[in-house]
Amino acid sequence: QLQLQESGPGLVKPSETLSLTCNVSGGSISSSAYYWGWIRQAPGKGLEWIGSIYFRGSTYYNPSLKNRVTISVDTSKNQFSLELNSVTAADTAVYFCAGQGAPRVFFHWGQGTLVTVSS
Amino acid sequence: DIQLTQSPPSLSASVGDRVTITCRASLHISSYLAWYQQKPGKVPKVLIYAASTLQSGVPSRFSGSGSGTDFTLTISSLQPEDVATYYCQNYNSDPFTFGPGTKVNIK
Repeated sequence: QLQLQESGPGLVKPSETLSLTCNVSGGSISSSAYYWGWIRQAPGKGLEWIGSIYFRGSTYYNPSLKNRVTISVDTSKNQFSLELNSVTAADTAVYFCAGQGAPRVFFHWGQGTLVTVSS
Repeated sequence: DIQLTQSPPSLSASVGDRVTITCRASLHISSYLAWYQQKPGKVPKVLIYAASTLQSGVPSRFSGSGSGTDFTLTISSLQPEDVATYYCQNYNSDPFTFGPGTKVNIK
């Protein structure tokens, strides 16, 4: 059973870069069956897809965040990562990592990690 | 880009009621639509994909229908454990957008 776990700082200062990592266990991040994605949820709000990556490096980003987002994959560590730069309070949210199977549905989710942007 | 709208934004119904939530896509997405359930404080989980395919382990009172631009999630007999927010999601092409959600409560 595929399991995902987010890790990273829970507090980031405004204008700095938010960095999170998702550790994948129970399966290979190099599997051709999966895309790997990040989704966030601001307090009391809905789900917002941030972006997804295929292990070979193809990336897909939400147009509203594209200029600030980088998603990368480290096959040697079975991990993928999110970087969001120039953060503001509006980026405060629970950040989920997730595995998109075939079809490209988010079948597997991490528990989520709250990131607060504040000085 | 594909936009998804959901209606109603929220609803209250009695236990045993039939509940219907709709999702409309701004462009044709064939049957590339999934429905998720998110209970308060919990991680979202897939209920239905390919518009009408029930995910393994999901109770049969949940069903989905539609194709193209108009989709429906139906709960045939609402149960207390169904209190949650329900989201539709396009996976026809990126951006893999979610709908704004429909919050379901018990009356």
